[in-house]
Amino acid sequence: AQSVAQPEDQVNVAEGNPLTVKCTYSVSGNPYLFWYVQYPNRGLQFLLKYITGDNLVKGSYGFEAEFNKSQTSFHLKKPSALVSDSALYFCAVRDRAKSSGDKLTFGTGTRLAVRP
Amino acid sequence: KAGVTQTPRYLIKTRGQQVTLSCSPISGHRSVSWYQQTPGQGLQFLFEYFSETQRNKGNFPGRFSGRQFSNSRSEMNVSTLELGDSALYLCASEVGTSGRTGNEQFFGPGTRLTVL
Repeated sequence: AQSVAQPEDQVNVAEGNPLTVKCTYSVSGNPYLFWYVQYPNRGLQFLLKYITGDNLVKGSYGFEAEFNKSQTSFHLKKPSALVSDSALYFCAVRDRAKSSGDKLTFGTGTRLAVRP
Repeated sequence: KAGVTQTPRYLIKTRGQQVTLSCSPISGHRSVSWYQQTPGQGLQFLFEYFSETQRNKGNFPGRFSGRQFSNSRSEMNVSTLELGDSALYLCASEVGTSGRTGNEQFFGPGTRLTVL
């Protein structure tokens, strides 16, 4: 069965500093990987995805993520954090393998807190 | 394009009652997925509909059901409500194809259900 792990419940960073939100995954085949962000009382907003090709994926609001197949990781990064980046971040995986279907599996979420 | 809409946004019910939630996907999207979000369990997949057929189902009891109409609008129903059903219910739409793809899902704002 496919799964996603976000090992940190919360990440704290000062404004202007780089940030990293960690994600590791487990699938039987090759993955499609996604990052979403959720602001209070809102639905999830899509940030970026990895399908194939370049391991470094660039997304919305200056975020990027690096796919590492050997480490089965897809960490979210941003060179300079903003206070407005404070939100709940979810990593998700979809297994390309036929037996797993199309279900999108989410991690438990990481709360990012950026202090001024 | 208008985003995913969900109605109602807030709902208060009592134990034993039933509830129907509605989701209108982005125009042209044929796949609709439903998720339950709670502080303790995170994002849990309920089911996915594609072209009026349930394509995937999560591990929820039969009290949770759904359907999709020919215009891709979807409803989910929860019968015999329990206190533990209190949650944010999120709907997500996707372009959707008969095969497996790396398309991202677009989420609605959710319906906040409170069961008293």
